[in-house]
Amino acid sequence: EVQLVESGGDLVQPGGSLRLSCAASGFTFNIFWMHWVRQVPGKGLVWVSRINSDGVRTNYADSVKGRFTISRDNAKDMLYLEMISLTVEDTALYYCVRENLETSLDYWGQGTLVTVSS
Amino acid sequence: DIKMTQSPSTLSASVGDRVTITCRASESLSRWLAWYQQKPGKAPKLLIYKASNLESGVPSRFSGSGSGTEFTLTISSLQPDDFATYYCQQYNSDLYSFGQGTKLEIK
Repeated sequence: EVQLVESGGDLVQPGGSLRLSCAASGFTFNIFWMHWVRQVPGKGLVWVSRINSDGVRTNYADSVKGRFTISRDNAKDMLYLEMISLTVEDTALYYCVRENLETSLDYWGQGTLVTVSS
Repeated sequence: DIKMTQSPSTLSASVGDRVTITCRASESLSRWLAWYQQKPGKAPKLLIYKASNLESGVPSRFSGSGSGTEFTLTISSLQPDDFATYYCQQYNSDLYSFGQGTKLEIK
């Protein structure tokens, strides 16, 4: 069974930093592209970032480019999102998502909540 | 960046109704479009991929169509479990994007 379990969400002050983690299991992690998608509670889905299977290629939404860094450790089946210079607009539930290149985003974790507030 | 626009934003319907949600893209996607269903407190669930392909396990009352810049999601006969929010998402470009969502409510 495919499982994606996020962790690391917390309350952080504006300007602060945070590192999210996603533990993957139940599939061959090192052949799939992975994504982060966020959602402000009660609002819509916003794509954040993606990384290819070997970690060489990354893409970011304009709103986080230069502040967020996606990475992965295929030896540990882990996905990460390093976030710096956080603002209140980054407050959201962050989902770790697997991509199947044919079907797009086929498995989602349950999310980890990041709250940026003073 | 590709902008995705869904309509309507809210849709009121009854059990047994046939409903259609439209998604328009700011540039051509070919058929690289997916649809998701999300219920309160839950992660999104993939319904349709490549515009018209039904994900495994999804009931056949769901269908998708379209190509280029205009796409539709149709539910042929609404069931109580279908009342949720639906999102389209493009994966034609390196930067993915979602529509703003359509909330399907019980009339």
